[in-house]
Amino acid sequence: AQSVTQLGSHVSVSEGALVLLRCNYSSSVPPYLFWYVQYPNQGLQLLLKYTTGATLVKGINGFEAEFKKSETSFHLTKPSAHMSDAAEYFCAVSDGSGYSTLTFGKGTMLLVSP
Amino acid sequence: EAGVAQSPRYKIIEKRQSVAFWCNPISGHATLYWYQQILGQGPKLLIQFQNNGVVDDSQLPKDRFSAERLKGVDSTLKIQPAKLEDSAVYLCASSLVSSGNGADTQYFGPGTRLTVL
Repeated sequence: AQSVTQLGSHVSVSEGALVLLRCNYSSSVPPYLFWYVQYPNQGLQLLLKYTTGATLVKGINGFEAEFKKSETSFHLTKPSAHMSDAAEYFCAVSDGSGYSTLTFGKGTMLLVSP
Repeated sequence: EAGVAQSPRYKIIEKRQSVAFWCNPISGHATLYWYQQILGQGPKLLIQFQNNGVVDDSQLPKDRFSAERLKGVDSTLKIQPAKLEDSAVYLCASSLVSSGNGADTQYFGPGTRLTVL
């Protein structure tokens, strides 16, 4: 079975500061990894995903994530936070078999202060 | 391109009542998913359709939940009878095609927030 652990239910940063949201996964096979963002009262929107190839993945809105197999991690980063980045972020894993079933973490709420 | 549509956006019912949610996926998307998102948790897959066939319903509480996807397009999720613990946001998502390798991008609707009193 696969699982996702997101460290920290809430992360607070100042505008302009580095954003780091942590995600560790467990999977018995090489995983596909996803980061989704959810704004209040909206559905989830894909930020980026890792399938194969380059382990550093760039996404929308300046976010990127690096797949580190040895650490079973897929942390999300952004060099400079903007007020509009305040939202909830979910890491998800697919085990690459079957029909793209995703297992989500519990989410991390990013708070950005002026 | 229109996104995934869901209705209603909000629903309040008494326990033991029934409720239904509707989803219209992105045009041409073969795969449709229903998720349950309880406050403070990530979405949990309830059921997944490939066209109008079910490919995964292992986490669907079948004694009270049912879902159908007639003609491989729209889908309806029903709860009968509802319990207090069913209070959650119900998300519908769709993907263009299920490649069978787990890499498909899922596109989510805005969700239906259900409150059971």
